[in-house]
Amino acid sequence: KAGVTQTPRYLIKTRGQQVTLSCSPISGHRSVSWYQQTPGQGLQFLFEYFSETQRNKGNFPGRFSGRQFSNSRSEMNVSTLELGDSALYLCASSLGQLAGELFFGEGSRLTVL
Amino acid sequence: DAKTTQPPSMDCAEGRAANLPCNHSTISGNEYVYWYRQIHSQGPQYIIHGLKNNETNEMASLIITEDRKSSTLILPHATLRDTAVYYCIVRALNYGGSQGNLIFGKGTKLSVKP
Repeated sequence: KAGVTQTPRYLIKTRGQQVTLSCSPISGHRSVSWYQQTPGQGLQFLFEYFSETQRNKGNFPGRFSGRQFSNSRSEMNVSTLELGDSALYLCASSLGQLAGELFFGEGSRLTVL
Repeated sequence: DAKTTQPPSMDCAEGRAANLPCNHSTISGNEYVYWYRQIHSQGPQYIIHGLKNNETNEMASLIITEDRKSSTLILPHATLRDTAVYYCIVRALNYGGSQGNLIFGKGTKLSVKP
């Protein structure tokens, strides 16, 4: 079956702009999590959605937001982009039960100029 | 902060077993040990997880010490494609779906050499 799909794979924005990233989880998976990966900070948890509700949130400013739709697809948005937001944004899905196994997509690489 | 300590890097000869250690001395009774790996420029890949018994799957084996304060991931016959950063993570399973917040440390960069 198809894996986790993230779009777009690469994008370039300028400071002050906003960006929306999309994630389609594996069919049947109800939990979607988002991570930011930078060389300096490594992989950091942004937030998690389950059944359209945010279940957990990491330590990121309010410029970072997300949502989940009824079909479990998720989007994250970053407003008023800063240079430091340049990163690989990873989405992961899971069944949302006890498995504890996350399936990651290939990521969306954002460059902010 | 990550609750695990891993060596920053290791080398392994192709075809030999790769043994990646992880220290998690403050692990709680309800916390599992998870291993993921990330091949360059790809998303992390789940490898294996366990609570207190040793576990084996088609990718690797996980050996957890009796006191659960450390564990070792074993890749029995390492290949060049196993070159990656390996992350050891401890976390509790959360009932009701809240399970996506893994805390990744810096991991171990494993280099498999011909």
